[in-house]
Amino acid sequence: DAMVIQNPRYQVTQFGKPVTLSCSQTLNHNVMYWYQQKSSQAPKLLFHYYDKDFNNEADTPDNFQSRRPNTSFCFLDIRSPGLGDAAMYLCATSSRGSTDTQYFGPGTRLTVL
Amino acid sequence: AQSVTQLGSHVSVSEGALVLLRCNYSSSVPPYLFWYVQYPNQGLQLLLKYTSAATLVKGINGFEAEFKKSETSFHLTKPSAHMSDAAEYFCAVKGDTGRRALTFGSGTRLQVQP
Repeated sequence: DAMVIQNPRYQVTQFGKPVTLSCSQTLNHNVMYWYQQKSSQAPKLLFHYYDKDFNNEADTPDNFQSRRPNTSFCFLDIRSPGLGDAAMYLCATSSRGSTDTQYFGPGTRLTVL
Repeated sequence: AQSVTQLGSHVSVSEGALVLLRCNYSSSVPPYLFWYVQYPNQGLQLLLKYTSAATLVKGINGFEAEFKKSETSFHLTKPSAHMSDAAEYFCAVKGDTGRRALTFGSGTRLQVQP
C-alpha cells in the first residue's frame, strides 16, 4: 500500500542536542509538509516543499530546518531542541491536484529531557 | 485569511446515539473542507472532503458532512456512534488562493459511553 512513513515513532533527546526526524513516502507526491502538534492542540504547519522549492512559515523558529534530498524523503532537523519543542511531529504529502488532500504519516513523538 | 472554528472541545455521546461535531469556516474564496480523525499517538486520517461538488459528502466509517454556504458550516455527523469512534476530530479548510497549506480547527475530542 502506498503510504507515508515516519521514523522513529518515538524519539528522546537531550536539551540542546540536535535531532533529525525522517519521513518517506511511496505516493510519489510532489508536496511534503512538516507539522508540529502539541498536546491537545491542532497541527501547526512548520514548512513545506513543493518539489524542491522550500516554503517556510513566517513564525517557524530558526531552530527548525528541513531537507528534501529527493521526491521520496524529507527530514526535519531541530538544531538545539528546547523543552518547548517536545511535541508530535507529523509529516504529510499531497499531489499538485486542486483538491490537495493531505495524507499524514503516523507521527514522531519527540521528548526533550 | 482562512480560519476554522470547532464548537465544543469535548463531545460525549452514548453508543448508538447520533454524533454531531460542529465546524464553521471562514474563507475569502470558495473553500475546500476536510474532516480528519486522529487516534491516540497516531497521525491524521482523512474522513471526508468537500471540493465543490455535492454538498452532502459521505466518508469512511459511516460519517458524512454537509456543506452549507449560507451558514458557512461543515458539520460532521454519524447516525449511530460506535465505541471505536472515540478519537480527536479536526476540521480543516483550504481556501485562500496561493496558500497550499490547510488551516485546522482546534479539534473536538469525541467520547463514546457504553
